[in-house]
Amino acid sequence: SAVISQKPSRDICQRGTSLTIQCQVDSQVTMMFWYRQQPGQSLTLIATANQGSEATYESGFVIDKFPISRPNLTFSTLTVSNMSPEDSSIYLCSVVQERIQYFGAGTRLSVL
Amino acid sequence: LAKTTQPISMDSYEGQEVNITCSHNNIATNDYITWYQQFPSQGPRFIIQGYKTKVTNEVASLFIPADRKSSTLSLPRVSLSDTAVYYCLVGDDRFQKLVFGTGTRLLVSP
Repeated sequence: SAVISQKPSRDICQRGTSLTIQCQVDSQVTMMFWYRQQPGQSLTLIATANQGSEATYESGFVIDKFPISRPNLTFSTLTVSNMSPEDSSIYLCSVVQERIQYFGAGTRLSVL
Repeated sequence: LAKTTQPISMDSYEGQEVNITCSHNNIATNDYITWYQQFPSQGPRFIIQGYKTKVTNEVASLFIPADRKSSTLSLPRVSLSDTAVYYCLVGDDRFQKLVFGTGTRLLVSP
């Protein structure tokens, strides 16, 4: 099974600033996903990031707000740009290995 | 895109068997059914996956009827540590447009 490390685990940010979340996987994977989870809610897919191609964003999420990098098969970043309190949430990285999704512990973001 | 429907919450007691059913009426031929468990402040964790009939591992069983329009996760003899949210997810090998449903919040009491 894949082991995923996310950094930071939590952060408190001021509105208007940006935060970059890092996702490191212990093995090479083709597909990586970024999710958002509001407290007490289910997971919402933000985008799919495959190495060597542009990220594919879901409806309601745009690249200018959530730019994603995928420089290699073990690493990805998600940036939450120009933050507002509405961006306060948990952000999770996920990878697929042999038809199973593995998730990081998440980054808990609070925007003041 | 297969949408899933699960009960919002379930209550049980320690030592009981818990069955959580997920409805996925428009499941496609190539779709698999996967269940995840999520504890507070953690990412979801894989429990079990199946395509048809019955699958069993060391923690759970998954029952899938012939029409595959639903599936049932069975947790034998639950303990307090099984209190969590359980998600049913339907998707194919391409993992496109994965959609998590509301999940089922299971509360196990002494």
